[in-house]
Amino acid sequence: SQKIEQNSEALNIQEGKTATLTCNYTNYSPAYLQWYRQDPGRGPVFLLLIRENEKEKRKERLKVTFDTTLKQSLFHITASQPADSATYLCALEVNAGNNRKLIWGLGTSLAVNP
Amino acid sequence: SQTIHQWPATLVQPVGSPLSLECTVEGTSNPNLYWYRQAAGRGLQLLFYSVGIGQISSEVPQNLSASRPQDRQFILSSKKLLLSDSGFYLCAWRVSGTISYTFGSGTRLTVV
Repeated sequence: SQKIEQNSEALNIQEGKTATLTCNYTNYSPAYLQWYRQDPGRGPVFLLLIRENEKEKRKERLKVTFDTTLKQSLFHITASQPADSATYLCALEVNAGNNRKLIWGLGTSLAVNP
Repeated sequence: SQTIHQWPATLVQPVGSPLSLECTVEGTSNPNLYWYRQAAGRGLQLLFYSVGIGQISSEVPQNLSASRPQDRQFILSSKKLLLSDSGFYLCAWRVSGTISYTFGSGTRLTVV
């Protein structure tokens, strides 16, 4: 079956360290992979997108890698801050007939401790 | 600027009552609009999407319906709510040709 998995356990790290979140998928051939941040009681906010032919993407303290052979994306936050504490969702955009469809992971909760 | 409005923020409704959630976007025209539901312990589930006025595609059979009476308005409705309709409902939009989605602030619906 097709599925997308993220670390189910919450990630706790110390301020200033690098947080690394994992997104694994099976049986998809995604065109894009996107990462979103979601705060409690709020809608997800788009962070980064990486295409199937890209290996790495950076934006300020954020870095995303995409390995289509391993079917895995890693999301890194360097020099983490308490304000980075949130749930991070990955989403795959896949072809679904004549349309494209976004498949979402359950998210990983990140807590950055001061 | 482009913004999305979704209301109400929270809603408690009895079983069997009707539902109407509204979403409007500003600063863009002809967006693709989406309704998602996020239940506890489950990922975002796409309920409906619309590529234009009056055009609605349903992703899953359910107790809900959607309508798009105007270009920038998307409404989620139910005639009779079920307990299983409880969840966090999110409206999202995407401009045709772009890839990322912009979400509203969500409506927490509790059916009692």
